[in-house]
Amino acid sequence: EAEVAQSPRYKITEKSQAVAFWCDPISGHATLYWYRQILGQGPELLVQFQDESVVDDSQLPKDRFSAERLKGVDSTLKIQPAELGDSAMYLCASSLDSANEKLFFGSGTQLSVL
Amino acid sequence: DAKTTQPTSMDCAEGRAANLPCNHSTISGNEYVYWYRQIHSQGPQYIIHGLKNNETNEMASLIITEDRKSSTLILPHATLRDTAVYYCIVRGADSSYKLIFGSGTRLLVRP
Repeated sequence: EAEVAQSPRYKITEKSQAVAFWCDPISGHATLYWYRQILGQGPELLVQFQDESVVDDSQLPKDRFSAERLKGVDSTLKIQPAELGDSAMYLCASSLDSANEKLFFGSGTQLSVL
Repeated sequence: DAKTTQPTSMDCAEGRAANLPCNHSTISGNEYVYWYRQIHSQGPQYIIHGLKNNETNEMASLIITEDRKSSTLILPHATLRDTAVYYCIVRGADSSYKLIFGSGTRLLVRP
């Protein structure tokens, strides 16, 4: 079965450094989501793309976070500068389109900010 | 904000049915009930969803009360691999397709 690919699996960085995460959704999936999951909590939606366009970034801390999906396929989430409170799991998910009920999640990138 | 209420944790014996409850008393007529689960160190996995009729697939059954204010996810024969956090989510069928997770129920399947 096709999977959502994410890299790196783990990332350790120091406070104030820049960090980037990459996601490759399932082929043909138009909708892509980035979630953040703090230990012990459910995932929180950061940004949603429909093809290359952002359709919801209301929960994205735009002073330090940015996300892009230039060709409507893979996506990059960047944090600059990283803060201690950014330590979390960053999950990418995709679906055929925004109306499709089933989201497929990747295994995530575990970020630790020291 | 999450629109559901779930117990923090539950346990059941391997081979027995696991019944996970969820309250969604403010659900609207066009909102679906979705269930996902998250096994440790993995991303969430879709299980099942429904509007008002009971649903069954290869993973589980979903029982929705007639007034739609609550539902139960049933794993008919729980295995150790079913140990996970189970999320009950209410999601609109209109333009607001966001999947908003709560804290879920941590299910422990005992040998």
